[in-house]
Amino acid sequence: EVQLVESGGGLVQPGRSLRLSCAASGFTFDDYGMNWVRQAPGKGLEWVSRISWNSIIRNYADSVKGRFTISRDNAKNSVYLQMNSLRPDDTALYYCTKQMSTRGLGPFDKWGPGAMVTVSS
Amino acid sequence: EFVLTQSPGTLSLSPGERATLSCRASQAVSDDYLAWYQQRPGRAPRLLIYGASSRATGIPDRFSGSGSGTDFTLTINRLEAEDFVVYYCQQYASAPPHTFGQGTRLEIK
Repeated sequence: EVQLVESGGGLVQPGRSLRLSCAASGFTFDDYGMNWVRQAPGKGLEWVSRISWNSIIRNYADSVKGRFTISRDNAKNSVYLQMNSLRPDDTALYYCTKQMSTRGLGPFDKWGPGAMVTVSS
Repeated sequence: EFVLTQSPGTLSLSPGERATLSCRASQAVSDDYLAWYQQRPGRAPRLLIYGASSRATGIPDRFSGSGSGTDFTLTINRLEAEDFVVYYCQQYASAPPHTFGQGTRLEIK
Protein backbone atom coordinates (compact mmCIF):
# COMPACT_ATOMS: atom_id res chain seq x y z
CA GLU A 1 0.00 0.00 0.00
CA VAL A 2 1.31 3.44 -0.96
CA GLN A 3 1.87 5.67 2.03
CA LEU A 4 3.10 9.24 2.34
CA VAL A 5 3.68 10.65 5.80
CA GLU A 6 4.67 14.26 6.37
CA SER A 7 6.51 15.51 9.45
CA GLY A 8 8.26 18.63 10.68
CA GLY A 9 5.34 21.01 10.90
CA GLY A 10 4.73 23.32 13.82
CA LEU A 11 4.53 26.88 15.08
CA VAL A 12 7.30 29.20 13.93
CA GLN A 13 7.91 32.93 14.15
CA PRO A 14 7.90 35.10 11.02
CA GLY A 15 11.29 35.19 9.34
CA ARG A 16 12.38 31.83 10.75
CA SER A 17 12.89 28.52 8.98
CA LEU A 18 11.28 25.09 9.02
CA ARG A 19 12.00 21.85 7.16
CA LEU A 20 9.22 19.48 6.20
CA SER A 21 9.90 15.83 5.46
CA CYS A 22 7.79 13.26 3.65
CA ALA A 23 8.50 9.56 4.09
CA ALA A 24 7.23 7.39 1.24
CA SER A 25 6.58 3.67 1.12
CA GLY A 26 4.76 1.08 -0.94
CA PHE A 27 6.11 2.08 -4.36
CA THR A 28 9.39 2.49 -6.25
CA PHE A 29 10.11 5.98 -4.98
CA ASP A 30 12.86 6.90 -7.44
CA ASP A 31 10.54 6.34 -10.40
CA TYR A 32 8.19 9.20 -9.57
CA GLY A 33 8.13 12.95 -9.38
CA MET A 34 6.91 14.41 -6.11
CA ASN A 35 5.16 17.64 -5.22
CA TRP A 36 4.17 19.78 -2.26
CA VAL A 37 0.69 21.33 -2.18
CA ARG A 38 -0.60 23.58 0.60
CA GLN A 39 -4.00 24.63 1.86
CA ALA A 40 -4.48 27.65 4.10
CA PRO A 41 -7.20 27.26 6.74
CA GLY A 42 -10.62 27.36 5.06
CA LYS A 43 -9.08 28.03 1.64
CA GLY A 44 -8.41 26.14 -1.58
CA LEU A 45 -5.42 24.16 -2.79
CA GLU A 46 -2.19 25.84 -3.87
CA TRP A 47 0.57 23.96 -5.66
CA VAL A 48 3.91 24.84 -4.07
CA SER A 49 6.76 22.86 -5.62
CA ARG A 50 7.73 19.89 -7.75
CA ILE A 51 10.85 17.74 -8.04
CA SER A 52 11.47 15.22 -10.80
CA TRP A 53 12.42 11.61 -10.08
CA ASN A 54 16.13 12.37 -10.59
CA SER A 55 16.11 15.80 -8.89
CA ILE A 56 17.12 17.52 -12.14
CA ILE A 57 13.88 19.46 -12.51
CA ARG A 58 12.67 21.59 -9.61
CA ASN A 59 9.83 24.09 -9.93
CA TYR A 60 8.29 26.54 -7.50
CA ALA A 61 5.21 28.69 -7.20
CA ASP A 62 5.98 32.40 -7.50
CA SER A 63 4.77 32.87 -3.93
CA VAL A 64 7.64 30.74 -2.52
CA LYS A 65 10.38 31.11 -5.13
CA GLY A 66 13.66 32.13 -3.56
CA ARG A 67 12.49 31.15 -0.06
CA PHE A 68 11.60 27.45 -0.34
CA THR A 69 13.82 24.62 -1.61
CA ILE A 70 12.62 21.15 -2.52
CA SER A 71 14.94 18.15 -2.41
CA ARG A 72 14.79 14.38 -2.24
CA ASP A 73 16.88 11.45 -1.07
CA ASN A 74 15.99 8.39 -3.11
CA ALA A 75 18.06 6.16 -0.83
CA LYS A 76 15.81 7.17 2.07
CA ASN A 77 12.55 7.30 0.07
CA SER A 78 12.03 10.84 1.26
CA VAL A 79 11.28 14.29 -0.08
CA TYR A 80 11.87 17.52 1.77
CA LEU A 81 10.76 21.13 1.74
CA GLN A 82 13.14 23.64 3.29
CA MET A 83 11.16 26.78 4.08
CA ASN A 84 13.10 29.96 4.88
CA SER A 85 12.00 33.53 5.61
CA LEU A 86 8.56 32.27 6.57
CA ARG A 87 5.65 34.70 6.49
CA PRO A 88 2.21 34.59 8.13
CA ASP A 89 0.63 33.87 4.73
CA ASP A 90 2.65 30.64 4.56
CA THR A 91 0.39 29.30 7.30
CA ALA A 92 -1.22 26.20 5.83
CA LEU A 93 -1.55 22.45 5.83
CA TYR A 94 1.25 21.15 3.62
CA TYR A 95 0.56 17.98 1.65
CA CYS A 96 3.19 15.73 0.09
CA THR A 97 1.90 14.23 -3.15
CA LYS A 98 3.05 11.59 -5.61
CA GLN A 99 2.69 11.97 -9.35
CA MET A 100 0.81 9.17 -11.06
CA SER A 101 3.10 8.76 -14.07
CA THR A 102 6.56 7.28 -13.85
CA ARG A 103 9.40 9.61 -14.80
CA GLY A 104 7.12 12.22 -16.28
CA LEU A 105 4.28 14.58 -15.57
CA GLY A 106 1.06 13.37 -14.11
CA PRO A 107 -1.77 14.14 -11.73
CA PHE A 108 -1.34 13.55 -8.02
CA ASP A 109 -2.66 10.08 -7.29
CA LYS A 110 -1.51 9.79 -3.68
CA TRP A 111 -1.54 12.39 -0.93
CA GLY A 112 -0.23 12.33 2.61
CA PRO A 113 -2.42 13.48 5.53
CA GLY A 114 -0.54 16.78 5.66
CA ALA A 115 1.65 18.70 8.10
CA MET A 116 0.40 21.93 9.63
CA VAL A 117 2.68 24.96 9.53
CA THR A 118 1.68 28.02 11.52
CA VAL A 119 3.69 31.21 11.14
CA SER A 120 2.92 33.62 13.94
CA SER A 121 4.64 35.74 16.54
CA GLU B 1 -0.44 33.62 -15.60
CA PHE B 2 -2.39 30.38 -16.03
CA VAL B 3 -5.78 30.61 -14.30
CA LEU B 4 -8.45 27.94 -13.80
CA THR B 5 -11.92 29.27 -13.02
CA GLN B 6 -14.45 26.86 -11.57
CA SER B 7 -18.18 27.48 -11.65
CA PRO B 8 -20.43 27.63 -9.86
CA GLY B 9 -18.76 28.37 -6.54
CA THR B 10 -21.53 26.47 -4.77
CA LEU B 11 -23.99 24.04 -6.33
CA SER B 12 -27.17 23.04 -4.47
CA LEU B 13 -28.76 19.77 -5.54
CA SER B 14 -30.65 16.83 -4.08
CA PRO B 15 -29.51 13.22 -3.77
CA GLY B 16 -30.25 11.29 -6.93
CA GLU B 17 -29.80 14.32 -9.18
CA ARG B 18 -26.98 15.00 -11.63
CA ALA B 19 -24.24 17.53 -10.91
CA THR B 20 -22.38 19.40 -13.64
CA LEU B 21 -19.25 21.26 -12.55
CA SER B 22 -17.29 23.52 -14.89
CA CYS B 23 -13.60 24.37 -15.10
CA ARG B 24 -12.45 27.01 -17.57
CA ALA B 25 -8.77 27.67 -18.32
CA SER B 26 -7.30 31.03 -19.28
CA GLN B 27 -5.30 29.24 -21.99
CA ALA B 28 -5.45 25.84 -23.61
CA VAL B 29 -4.40 22.95 -21.37
CA SER B 30 -1.67 21.04 -23.16
CA ASP B 31 -2.58 17.45 -24.03
CA ASP B 32 -5.74 17.84 -21.93
CA TYR B 33 -3.63 17.38 -18.79
CA LEU B 34 -6.59 18.29 -16.61
CA ALA B 35 -7.50 16.48 -13.39
CA TRP B 36 -10.39 16.61 -10.93
CA TYR B 37 -10.08 15.99 -7.19
CA GLN B 38 -12.62 15.47 -4.45
CA GLN B 39 -11.92 16.72 -0.92
CA ARG B 40 -13.95 15.63 2.08
CA PRO B 41 -13.83 17.67 5.30
CA GLY B 42 -10.64 17.07 7.23
CA ARG B 43 -9.24 14.77 4.56
CA ALA B 44 -6.62 15.03 1.84
CA PRO B 45 -7.89 15.44 -1.72
CA ARG B 46 -8.56 12.30 -3.77
CA LEU B 47 -7.89 12.00 -7.50
CA LEU B 48 -11.11 11.37 -9.45
CA ILE B 49 -10.35 12.11 -13.11
CA TYR B 50 -7.14 12.64 -15.09
CA GLY B 51 -6.44 13.37 -18.73
CA ALA B 52 -9.76 15.23 -18.70
CA SER B 53 -11.82 12.04 -18.99
CA SER B 54 -10.06 8.99 -17.48
CA ARG B 55 -11.30 7.75 -14.12
CA ALA B 56 -8.70 7.06 -11.46
CA THR B 57 -8.47 3.65 -9.84
CA GLY B 58 -11.48 2.78 -7.71
CA ILE B 59 -13.62 5.74 -8.78
CA PRO B 60 -17.26 4.80 -9.49
CA ASP B 61 -18.55 5.25 -13.02
CA ARG B 62 -21.06 7.79 -11.69
CA PHE B 63 -18.15 10.22 -12.06
CA SER B 64 -17.17 11.30 -15.57
CA GLY B 65 -15.05 14.02 -17.09
CA SER B 66 -15.19 15.68 -20.47
CA GLY B 67 -13.88 18.63 -22.41
CA SER B 68 -10.70 19.79 -24.07
CA GLY B 69 -8.70 22.92 -24.75
CA THR B 70 -10.01 25.48 -22.29
CA ASP B 71 -13.39 24.09 -21.19
CA PHE B 72 -13.79 21.04 -18.98
CA THR B 73 -16.67 19.45 -17.11
CA LEU B 74 -17.03 17.02 -14.22
CA THR B 75 -20.38 15.23 -14.19
CA ILE B 76 -21.63 13.25 -11.22
CA ASN B 77 -24.70 11.11 -11.86
CA ARG B 78 -27.13 9.85 -9.21
CA LEU B 79 -25.73 11.97 -6.41
CA GLU B 80 -25.18 10.20 -3.13
CA ALA B 81 -24.88 11.79 0.32
CA GLU B 82 -21.10 11.30 0.38
CA ASP B 83 -20.72 13.30 -2.86
CA PHE B 84 -21.71 16.59 -1.22
CA VAL B 85 -18.21 17.94 -0.64
CA VAL B 86 -15.67 20.14 -2.48
CA TYR B 87 -14.23 19.52 -5.94
CA TYR B 88 -11.10 21.02 -7.53
CA CYS B 89 -9.77 20.96 -11.07
CA GLN B 90 -6.04 21.13 -11.78
CA GLN B 91 -3.79 21.40 -14.81
CA TYR B 92 -0.55 19.40 -14.71
CA ALA B 93 0.90 20.15 -18.14
CA SER B 94 4.54 20.75 -18.86
CA ALA B 95 4.78 24.27 -17.52
CA PRO B 96 4.29 24.63 -13.80
CA PRO B 97 2.71 26.01 -11.73
CA HIS B 98 0.34 23.08 -11.65
CA THR B 99 -2.55 25.42 -11.00
CA PHE B 100 -5.69 24.45 -9.12
CA GLY B 101 -9.10 26.00 -9.57
CA GLN B 102 -10.66 27.71 -6.59
CA GLY B 103 -13.07 24.83 -5.98
CA THR B 104 -16.79 24.10 -6.22
CA ARG B 105 -18.73 23.18 -3.13
CA LEU B 106 -21.56 20.73 -3.73
CA GLU B 107 -24.23 21.08 -1.05
CA ILE B 108 -27.51 19.33 -0.31
CA LYS B 109 -30.54 21.32 -1.35
